[in-house]
Amino acid sequence: AQTVTQSQPEMSVQEAETVTLSCTYDTSESDYYLFWYKQPPSRQMILVIRQEAYKQQNATENRFSVNFQKAAKSFSLKISDSQLGDAAMYFCALSRGTSYGKLTFGQGTILTVHP
Amino acid sequence: DVKVTQSSRYLVKRTGEKVFLECVQDMDHENMFWYRQDPGLGLRLIYFSYDVKMKEKGDIPEGYSVSREKKERFSLILESASTNQTSMYLCASSLGRWDEQFFGPGTRLTVL
Repeated sequence: AQTVTQSQPEMSVQEAETVTLSCTYDTSESDYYLFWYKQPPSRQMILVIRQEAYKQQNATENRFSVNFQKAAKSFSLKISDSQLGDAAMYFCALSRGTSYGKLTFGQGTILTVHP
Repeated sequence: DVKVTQSSRYLVKRTGEKVFLECVQDMDHENMFWYRQDPGLGLRLIYFSYDVKMKEKGDIPEGYSVSREKKERFSLILESASTNQTSMYLCASSLGRWDEQFFGPGTRLTVL
């Protein structure tokens, strides 16, 4: 069985500062993808960043980057220069490689950004 | 832009009622998914469909069924609603198995 664990129910950061959200996972598959999704208050879930497991290079999307440690099964999200619009629930997710992209989600981390 | 819509944002039903939640996507995606979101549990997969009339159970299918008669529409059915099915229900779609999933706005269902 696959599991995804987000051990930080809540995090906070000052505007313009950097914050890191943690995620660990467990899977027996060798071929998988990892995702971070963002769910703003009362708004739809959107993709933040995606990482292919076979790629050693960490994915980056503007102010968002990941630290992917495959051996440790760790996939953290770093948000640089935090903005008020980054306030949201963030979910880490693992794609099950063998079947149609089914996702296993973590519990979520609520990020608060202070002005 | 991909658009995934859900028939209701808020729904209140009584125990024992049959409930239909509808989801429509407009980008010809092959895969569609139904999740429920509960505090502290994240999102859990109820059912998914990889083609018209094809479906598979997810992690928590008990008490639910689905229907996909047309590619763009995926319905979640609660045959006899119970109070423990009070939750936020999210629909999603994706083109291929490695592609990002696009989510609808969610339906907050309350079963009294």
